[in-house]
Amino acid sequence: AQTIHQWPVAEIKAVGSPLSLGCTIKGKSSPNLYWYWQATGGTLQQLFYSITVGQVESVVQLNLSASRPKDDQFILSTEKLLLSHSGFYLCAWSYRGDSDYTFGSGTRLLVI
Amino acid sequence: GQQVQQSPASLVLQEGENAELQCNFSTSLNSMQWFYQRPGGSLVSLFYNPSGTKHSGRLTSTTVIKERRSSLHISSSQTTDSGTYLCALRRASSSFSKLVFGQGTSLSVVP
Repeated sequence: AQTIHQWPVAEIKAVGSPLSLGCTIKGKSSPNLYWYWQATGGTLQQLFYSITVGQVESVVQLNLSASRPKDDQFILSTEKLLLSHSGFYLCAWSYRGDSDYTFGSGTRLLVI
Repeated sequence: GQQVQQSPASLVLQEGENAELQCNFSTSLNSMQWFYQRPGGSLVSLFYNPSGTKHSGRLTSTTVIKERRSSLHISSSQTTDSGTYLCALRRASSSFSKLVFGQGTSLSVVP
């Protein structure tokens, strides 16, 4: 069975500090991977997507970056957090073709 | 403007009542997906519905592409149905895939 695991579950970080969020997908070869972000009370927005290892496309500019170092791993990061980065981050995968999406449990980030 | 509009924004039901949630989209799409967002934030996929009608237990999803709308019908609501319901349209090509979400309908089912 396919599983998607996000880490950490929650973070409280200071403005200006670095951030790294991770996502691992098991049981699926070469999935499409995505990062989404939701500000408190806001709409979910797609940040990045990746269709293969080493290839990441940005959808929304939020002073964040993403990388896909392995087929089953997707990393979201920044060197300097902003207050506006607070919110809820979700990783998701879909498979080739017009299939549905599956989401991880998310990471809640508070920047203070 | 907003590509995906959901209505109503919020809804309160007595347990046992039915609900109809609407999703209207202003752009072309490949498919429509409905999610339930738990209070903790994680998403559960309810329906992947490119067109037509699909059923799952007490839930029914209907997507009419030419009218640019999709609906989610909840019958005989239960308190455990409370939460936020999101629709998302998918735009995809061979090398690109994007989900555009609506703002959600917050459902509260009271005993």
